Amino acid sequence: QVHLQESGPGLVKPSETLSLTCSVSGASVRSYYWSWIRQPPGEGLEWIGFIYYNGPSNYNPSLKGRVTISVDMSKNQVSLELRSVTAADTAVFYCARHGAAGIVATTDHYYGMDVWGQGTAVTV
Amino acid sequence: SYELTQPPSASVSPGQTATITCSGETLTNRHFYWYQQKPGQAPVLVIYKGSERPAGISERFSGSSSGTTFTLTISGVQTEDEADYYCQSADSGGTWVFGGGTKLTVL
Repeated sequence: QVHLQESGPGLVKPSETLSLTCSVSGASVRSYYWSWIRQPPGEGLEWIGFIYYNGPSNYNPSLKGRVTISVDMSKNQVSLELRSVTAADTAVFYCARHGAAGIVATTDHYYGMDVWGQGTAVTV
Repeated sequence: SYELTQPPSASVSPGQTATITCSGETLTNRHFYWYQQKPGQAPVLVIYKGSERPAGISERFSGSSSGTTFTLTISGVQTEDEADYYCQSADSGGTWVFGGGTKLTVL
């Protein structure tokens, strides 16, 4: 069973860089696309960006220039960096896999986000 | 930028059918998804690629599209279906966007 666990500091100061890690178990980070999504308190979901292990990535145009998503294959982790944060970046951050049950590996991110972590709350 | 518009709220009685709509400027060359989110929990994918149901999702959930609107239909609504529902779309360039969400109340 695939399990995702987000981790990182719960408090970040304005203008600093928010860094989060998504630890993946039950699957290889080489096998799927991975997204980060955030949800401000009491608000809706916002897609931040995604990545595939060998490079293809894309980001929300509204965040481009401030965000970087990367993969650490040795640790089977996906990371998020969001620079120059402000109070508007306060949110619960989720990582998610693009895939489907029974699909052991795929480059088709259009399966959608079928496995999510529990989320980690970050306050700026 | 591409935007998806959902009604903020919807209500339905148990056993009835709920329909939640999501409108975009165009549906051409895009894929569509629906997620269910209950309070304090992560979202759950209930429909992908417009009308496909992930393993373990009840047959009561179905997706369809017409014109510039795609729709989530929940038949035989149960109290456990009360949740926020988010539509999502992806374009051919790999840019994803969520709708604002619809709070479904089961009266």
